[in-house]
Amino acid sequence: GAGVSQTPSNKVTEKGKYVELRCDPISGHTALYWYRQSLGQGPEFLIYFQGTGAADDSGLPNDRFFAVRPEGSVSTLKIQRTERGDSAVYLCASSWTGTSMADTQYFGPGTRLTVL
Amino acid sequence: GIQVEQSPPDLILQEGANSTLRCNFSDSVNNLQWFHQNPWGQLINLFYIPSGTKQNGRLSATTVATERYSLLYISSSQTTDSGVYFCAVLTRGGSYIPTFGRGTSLIVHP
Repeated sequence: GAGVSQTPSNKVTEKGKYVELRCDPISGHTALYWYRQSLGQGPEFLIYFQGTGAADDSGLPNDRFFAVRPEGSVSTLKIQRTERGDSAVYLCASSWTGTSMADTQYFGPGTRLTVL
Repeated sequence: GIQVEQSPPDLILQEGANSTLRCNFSDSVNNLQWFHQNPWGQLINLFYIPSGTKQNGRLSATTVATERYSLLYISSSQTTDSGVYFCAVLTRGGSYIPTFGRGTSLIVHP
């Protein structure tokens, strides 16, 4: 079975533009997570989906960030009016349930976003 | 929220050497995981170890939950061990969102 995939692998955009980042989780995984990783830092939580609903979006930095998972599988992270400070690697992870303390998260390769 | 501190921040080894990486956390945890991020950015889960000791080949990990730390041992290091090692924890009674440390960057020279 395939792992978690993310597209695009790299995205360069201009300040003020809108971007969409896509995540395809492992088939059958109900939980999906988005993280942001800046240089020299660990992954920073953004949002967590349990099925189609956002179970926890407390990590989204502001209302320019939004994510959807309409059919409980693929998820899209959307960033409006991008700013240079949004430049980072955006990581997606999935796990079987998301409700077990023993759940293992499987990470995608990430999308490197650069805002000029 | 919980604080997760990893040490050392950077480590340079010669191939074949052994090393110990440490993760300290400020509160009781239900879950602790160690991850390896390779030089291409891929994060791989190494261990789920909320307590006790586990071994997987040249890697082993020990968590002493009562003293709030975990150790990752790498023996006979290889160049492919290079990358960043993260620990991530879930707190008792908290959500299912892990908190990551800042990582230990390891370079293994041939």
